[in-house]
Amino acid sequence: DAGITQSPRHKVTETGTPVTLRCHQTENHRYMYWYRQDPGHGLRLIHYSYGVKDTDKGEVSDGYSVSRSKTEDFLLTLESATSSQTSVYFCAIREGISSYNEQFFGPGTRLTVL
Amino acid sequence: AQSVTQLDSQVPVFEEAPVELRCNYSSSVSVYLFWYVQYPNQGLQLLLKYLSGSTLVKGINGFEAEFNKSQTSFHLRKPSVHISDTAEYFCAVSYGQNFVFGPGTRLSVLP
Repeated sequence: DAGITQSPRHKVTETGTPVTLRCHQTENHRYMYWYRQDPGHGLRLIHYSYGVKDTDKGEVSDGYSVSRSKTEDFLLTLESATSSQTSVYFCAIREGISSYNEQFFGPGTRLTVL
Repeated sequence: AQSVTQLDSQVPVFEEAPVELRCNYSSSVSVYLFWYVQYPNQGLQLLLKYLSGSTLVKGINGFEAEFNKSQTSFHLRKPSVHISDTAEYFCAVSYGQNFVFGPGTRLSVLP
């Protein structure tokens, strides 16, 4: 158990509303990631963080922003949710900075945008 | 850019039969390879990983995978599957700070 929690676990919202998803870790790892999972696409990287206030974009970052003000928390914000952002969102952490370190995943947040 | 291909989106197999889930990656440099499993309504769990050394890697739950550099493949195998192996399986490549995941293969084990 890598000590990763995500909140909320489920959310239904309406188009145009802002949404923030939270990822919390208890292990003090430097790297944190946000992915979305959609059928036929596997997991696609939205944003990642390599330290407090240090973030970078992934392959599907449009419409999303992130913040990391503390090591343990990584927030994903949809400024104005759209139906195309209906998905399952996973947070992951990485124990080290080397390419051979695996990622550990949270339980996911199922977001539905009506 | 790195990419990972999993040719089979769905694999049905009878209980106690062997199974192979295929994974190919594109890379001209050394990479690290991983297989993850996702049970319904859960996050991903690491099954096994290849970092270096022996090309045959053993993981949890009786799974193993073989790294083939010349064919850029990392196929996952199990000699005898159980109903509880029903899940989605993802192959992933690690390079630099990030991972690239394949689209997944849904394994359905039939009684």
